[in-house]
Amino acid sequence: ELKVEQNPLFLSMQEGKNYTIYCNYSTTSDRLYWYRQDPGKSLESLFVLLSNGAVKQEGRLMASLDTKARLSTLHITAAVHDLSATYFCAVDFNAGGTSYGKLTFGQGTILTVHP
Amino acid sequence: DVKVTQSSRYLVKRTGEKVFLECVQDMDHENMFWYRQDPGLGLRLIYFSYDVKMKEKGDIPEGYSVSREKKERFSLILESASTNQTSMYLCASSLGPSTGLETQYFGPGTRLLVL
Repeated sequence: ELKVEQNPLFLSMQEGKNYTIYCNYSTTSDRLYWYRQDPGKSLESLFVLLSNGAVKQEGRLMASLDTKARLSTLHITAAVHDLSATYFCAVDFNAGGTSYGKLTFGQGTILTVHP
Repeated sequence: DVKVTQSSRYLVKRTGEKVFLECVQDMDHENMFWYRQDPGLGLRLIYFSYDVKMKEKGDIPEGYSVSREKKERFSLILESASTNQTSMYLCASSLGPSTGLETQYFGPGTRLLVL
């Protein structure tokens, strides 16, 4: 079964602290995406990770991919309130084949950053 | 900027009604997707389309059908709405063709309530 699991599902952080969201997936893939969703809004793309060892950074967020461990991480550095949102990872399990860009999503991690 | 629009932000329908949800993208994308989003379950793929008049079932197609008569428009149809179809429905599109590299761009979502 193709599964993508995130943990934690809920994360309450203090401003200025660091934390990591984990995304595990069930079968080999080297294409992983991170999205952000603000309350009441749609999803926007954050990162695209396309190979083992890929690392992408944007501001206080850094994403990495370990295809051997079937694991991606989203690391938050010195959190600020503006980062409060739901974060999803998604995996293309048919990369290299006829995937048509079909993705399998994790459950989402609801992040709340408070003073 | 890619723009994906959905015909309604909120809909209230009665059990047994036929419901049409429409999605339009303006970037000549080949792939289009319909998801439903429920708390704790992430996004689940209902149907997707990789070309005009072409469609493929996703993970939860039961109770739904789709139509893609024009490249820019992808419609989701609930033939006979039921209360368990109350959900947020998200449409997405991606560039294609079939490389698996494309980020999906999402519409604002339609929150459907079936009474």
